[in-house]
Amino acid sequence: AQSVTQLGSHVSVSEGALVLLRCNYSSSVPPYLFWYVQYPNQGLQLLLKYTTGATLVKGINGFEAEFKKSETSFHLTKPSAHMSDAAEYFCAVRRSGGSNYKLTFGKGTLLTVNP
Amino acid sequence: DAGVTQSPTHLIKTRGQHVTLRCSPISGHKSVSWYQQVLGQGPQFIFQYYEKEERGRGNFPDRFSARQFPNYSSELNVNALLLGDSALYLCASSVGWDRGPGEQYFGPGTRLTVT
Repeated sequence: AQSVTQLGSHVSVSEGALVLLRCNYSSSVPPYLFWYVQYPNQGLQLLLKYTTGATLVKGINGFEAEFKKSETSFHLTKPSAHMSDAAEYFCAVRRSGGSNYKLTFGKGTLLTVNP
Repeated sequence: DAGVTQSPTHLIKTRGQHVTLRCSPISGHKSVSWYQQVLGQGPQFIFQYYEKEERGRGNFPDRFSARQFPNYSSELNVNALLLGDSALYLCASSVGWDRGPGEQYFGPGTRLTVT
């Protein structure tokens, strides 16, 4: 079974400050890892994904995440927060090598950006 | 190109009633997955369909059923609605059945309220 833990249900930063959203996963096989963003009353938008290869993954809107197998982590970062980054962020895991597309999501982290 | 579309956007039903939610995937995508997102939680996997066949099922009661049509659109049906079925129902489409990351694209969701 797979699971995802997102540390901190709510993170608040100032505009221009570093954004760090934490994600730890549990998987019995090498996983595929994803970060999604959800704006109010909208669906999910894929920010970035890790499948294989380079462990530092760059995504849209200046976000990046690093896969650390030894720490079973996939934290999301952005050097400088913008007001438009305020949203809910979800980390998700899917088992690799399988043909089932089931995503297992964390509970989400609400990011607030203060002016 | 149009993204994933879902209908209706909002729905209010009474306990015990039946509901049908609809999803049209991105053109060329043959796999559709359904997720339930209860307020304050991450999405939970309900079903995955590919080429009209069920390929995966989450931990949901038999009151939940789905099907996929020859044009790859899909319906999610829920019988005997309970208050706890109130949620945002998300549809996600992906290209096909393979062993890659199966990147999923989400629709805007259908907000179901059961009173």
